Amino acid sequence: EPEVTQTPSHQVTQMGQEVILRCVPISNHLYFYWYRQILGQKVEFLVSFYNNEISEKSEIFDDQFSVERPDGSNFTLKIRSTKLEDSAMYFCASSEALAGEYLYQETQYFGPGTRLLVL
Amino acid sequence: QKEVEQDPGPLSVPEGAIVSLNCTYSNSAFQYFMWYRQYSRKGPELLMYTYSSGNKEDGRFTAQVDKSSKYISLFIRDSQPSDSATYLCAMEDTGFQKLVFGTGTRLLVSP
Repeated sequence: EPEVTQTPSHQVTQMGQEVILRCVPISNHLYFYWYRQILGQKVEFLVSFYNNEISEKSEIFDDQFSVERPDGSNFTLKIRSTKLEDSAMYFCASSEALAGEYLYQETQYFGPGTRLLVL
Repeated sequence: QKEVEQDPGPLSVPEGAIVSLNCTYSNSAFQYFMWYRQYSRKGPELLMYTYSSGNKEDGRFTAQVDKSSKYISLFIRDSQPSDSATYLCAMEDTGFQKLVFGTGTRLLVSP
């Protein structure tokens, strides 16, 4: 069964450093997402991406964050200057379609996550 | 009022019990309702997906949506120790792209 994959599984970085989290979405999916989950808290939406541009973002997704689809398979989240409060689990997700386009094809499938620890 | 509310638990039940998990929400625009299961330090795994109101059954799992009450439920029949996980409800509005999650309910099924 196709699945979303993410690398690395764990990343430890120093405050102020740049990190890039990588994702390979399911191959026929067109919409890509990043979510984060701070330990003990709920999963929160960061950004969605379609047709090589950001289509929706949350207030969490400020100027230190950026996303990119550098080639036909990878989808990346870059944090330019990490802060202690960026420590969280980051999940990538993908879907075939948007909610309302094709019933059941808009389901978002999540990867296993990257645990980011900022020291 | 939080957009999606979910009792964090933990909910402890013996093996074989029927489990009822619930979420309430405030945004009447939500049309798509999902239940995800999340094992410790893993990604959310889709369990059930429903559109608008009604019931949906898949094996031991039944999802119910009552849009008039802004209330959704997940029932697990014949619960197993392997069902021990955190169950997240999630919702989405038509044309919007973000899932709005509840905090998750931690379920413990003891043998």
